[in-house]
Formats: sequence, C-alpha cells, structure tokens
Amino acid sequence: DGGITQSPKYLFRKEGQNVTLSCEQNLNHDAMYWYRQDPGQGLRLIYYSQIVNDFQKGDIAEGYSVSREKKESFPLTVTSAQKNPTAFYLCASSRGQGNNQPQHFGDGTRLSIL
Amino acid sequence: AQKITQTQPGMFVQEKEAVTLDCTYDTSDPSYGLFWYKQPSSGEMIFLIYQGSYDQQNATEGRYSLNFQKARKSANLVISASQLGDSAMYFCAMREGFSGGYNKLIFGAGTRLAVHP
Repeated sequence: DGGITQSPKYLFRKEGQNVTLSCEQNLNHDAMYWYRQDPGQGLRLIYYSQIVNDFQKGDIAEGYSVSREKKESFPLTVTSAQKNPTAFYLCASSRGQGNNQPQHFGDGTRLSIL
Repeated sequence: AQKITQTQPGMFVQEKEAVTLDCTYDTSDPSYGLFWYKQPSSGEMIFLIYQGSYDQQNATEGRYSLNFQKARKSANLVISASQLGDSAMYFCAMREGFSGGYNKLIFGAGTRLAVHP
C-alpha cells in the first residue's frame, strides 16, 4: 500500500548527541515536510522540500537539518544545538501541484531526552 | 497575530448526535484553502475535508461537512451522527496563496472531541 513510513516510532537522545529521524514515502509526491508537535498544541513547520536537492526552512528550523537526495526520502537530523528536542515529529508529503492537495502524514516519531 | 483560531480546547457529544467544531482564520490573500485533520491518540494525522476560498458550495465528505462563511472568515467542521471512533483531536489548517505548487499549512491549536455512549 502507498504511504509514508516514519522510523523509529520512539527515540531517545542523550545530551550533546545528534539523532536522525527517517521519513520515506512511496506516493510519488514531489513535496515533503517536517513538523514538530508539542503537547496540547498544533503543528509547527520545521523544514520543507518541493523537489529533490532543494529544501527551505520553515518557522522553527534552528537546531535541525535535513537532506533530500532522493524523491522518496526526507530525513530530519535533530542536532545538539536544539536545546528542547522533546516532542512528537511528523513527516508529511503532498503532490505539490494544485491548491486542494492535502498533505499526507506518517505515524510520527516521539523523541525524548535521556 | 494568530492565523488560525480554534476556540474550543475540548468538546463532548453524545453518540449519534451532531457536533460543530469551530475554526476562524485570518488572511488577506484572496486565494486560500482550508483543511481539517483528525488526530487519534495514536498520533497519525488523517485528512478529513477541504474547502477552497473560491468554492461556491460547502464541502462535504460522508459524515463530515464544512460550514464555510467567507465574510466571517470561519470554516467550522460539522460531524453528523457521531461515533465513538470520532473521539480524537481535530485540527483546522489553512494554506495561503499558491506558490509554485508548495502547500504550506498553518495549523490551529486543535479541539479535543470526546464522544460519549
């Protein structure tokens, strides 16, 4: 079945450590996105990519980095510069063409500090 | 200023009753789209319904309908015949303009719906 796969489901980070969250999609979507969700709040955009080898910062990009080497993959690295990384991270993709194209989401990764 | 406002942190409804979840938005762009998503306790975001700013009719998808009042800048979600499985967080989101195919969404804070038997 087509969809978005995020892994791992749960992730723990030690102080000063970089961790990478995986996001893979087989929907043939051009655009991909990373969001952060804190408890009781809505989603905030970290990074987005409209096409391979291109990506832009969202509203809260500090302390995060991404790459888009393949259409199917958009990994997110939470660096040690992100001082408050504990959150729920959601990856999404969309066709990128047309005003009414919804974003489709993965099941998310819960990141916690050890 | 908040672009998307969901004023109801929590709502409850009796099973089989209808419920309305409020959403107001703020934009000066004449071209925009409004989306509703459902987030069960498991965490995934499920797309429910879309309304475009130029759509003449209110959107409907099964038991979901969108009460779109453009002049009031409101896009309320109506769920008819509530089911226990409708218990979840519901998010309203807006896409402004249309920039080269990129659909940046701005999300509200969400409303938690509890359906009681």
